[in-house]
Amino acid sequence: AQSVTQLDSQVPVFEEAPVELRCNYSSSVSVYLFWYVQYPNQGLQLLLKYLSGSTLVKGINGFEAEFNKSQTSFHLRKPSVHISDTAEYFCAVSASFGNQFYFGTGTSLTVIP
Amino acid sequence: DTAVSQTPKYLVTQMGNDKSIKCEQNLGHDTMYWYKQDSKKFLKIMFSYNNKELIINETVPNRFSPKSPDKAHLNLHINSLELGDSAVYFCASSQERRNTEAFFGQGTRLTVV
Repeated sequence: AQSVTQLDSQVPVFEEAPVELRCNYSSSVSVYLFWYVQYPNQGLQLLLKYLSGSTLVKGINGFEAEFNKSQTSFHLRKPSVHISDTAEYFCAVSASFGNQFYFGTGTSLTVIP
Repeated sequence: DTAVSQTPKYLVTQMGNDKSIKCEQNLGHDTMYWYKQDSKKFLKIMFSYNNKELIINETVPNRFSPKSPDKAHLNLHINSLELGDSAVYFCASSQERRNTEAFFGQGTRLTVV
């Protein structure tokens, strides 16, 4: 089975500052990795995904993530955050041959004006 | 066109009642899921159906019964509702063995009083 650990439950950051949200995963098989965002009272929206190939993945809204197999990490970054980035962020993993999605416990990003 | 739609969006009911949440996807996916999100935002998978067959049934009280009349629908019926069932329930879908993420509905906020 796979599992995901999001190391930070809450991350406050000032507007226009850079941010990194950390995610580590555990799996004995090859995996696909995802970052989702959840705005207040809404469903989950895909930010980006890693399936194979380049370890640096670019997503929507200026976010990017880097897959590091040796460190089993998939950290999410943005060079300059906006107020509108305030939301809950979830890292998720699925086995490359299956279709179960395992989610981390989420990181609440608060952008301070 | 909404890809994954759930109804109702809000549901307030008394303890002991029976209620259903409906989910439909128009993406042509063969796998559908129900997730429960608690007050701490933790996302826990409840059920997964592939081509109308149950493939994941996590530790969920048997008061919860999923029903999949066809590949595009996965409904959740809950009997004898309890206070602890209050949560947001998300439906999602994906395509098995394809490089796709899970697509989520907007959620149903269930409040048991």
